[in-house]
Amino acid sequence: ILNVEQSPQSLHVQEGDSTNFTCSFPSSNFYALHWYRWETAKSPEALFVMTLNGDEKKKGRISATLNTKEGYSYLYIKGSQPEDSATYLCACRSSGNTPLVFGKGTRLSVIA
Amino acid sequence: DAGITQSPRHKVTETGTPVTLRCHQTENHRYMYWYRQDPGHGLRLIHYSYGVKDTDKGEVSDGYSVSRSKTEDFLLTLESATSSQTSVYFCAISSDRAPNYGYTFGSGTRLTVV
Repeated sequence: ILNVEQSPQSLHVQEGDSTNFTCSFPSSNFYALHWYRWETAKSPEALFVMTLNGDEKKKGRISATLNTKEGYSYLYIKGSQPEDSATYLCACRSSGNTPLVFGKGTRLSVIA
Repeated sequence: DAGITQSPRHKVTETGTPVTLRCHQTENHRYMYWYRQDPGHGLRLIHYSYGVKDTDKGEVSDGYSVSRSKTEDFLLTLESATSSQTSVYFCAISSDRAPNYGYTFGSGTRLTVV
């Protein structure tokens, strides 16, 4: 089973701070990586899908990078706002025939 | 969520009873998935389907069975519920396994086994 690890497990930042967190995966067994945003009492919502080494994606104040050679992806949030408080999930698949395997998530709390 | 609904939203059942959870989609997507979410474990795959009557096991399939007799419905059955199956269950759909296709999740079913 593909092992997807996320760090840190949780994070508390002040409003206006920028922050980032990491998703690690086996570099030898990579097909695609997805980032999801999961607010409490809601369903996970897709943020980015990344497939190529060096990919960079951006959506408003949130961006992500991908390094498939070393097996990691970073998610960045610039100028965190209280509405950014959520759990951020990373998920990977090792081929087109396998379902996504999720990490345990990073829980972000932004304090006003 | 638009296009995918789970029922029931909440259920309390007794140990040893069978329970069926339903996932219904109106998107005509080929792929459907059942995950469970537990503290400290994230989302773990139970079973998935890649077409009508085509299903496969996931990481935590013991004690669960699934059926997909129509494109729009994917049923998850707990054959004899145990307390360890108390969890939040999420259904997800995907139109294709190409890398740029993500999942759309249902709202979840909170199951408590007493």
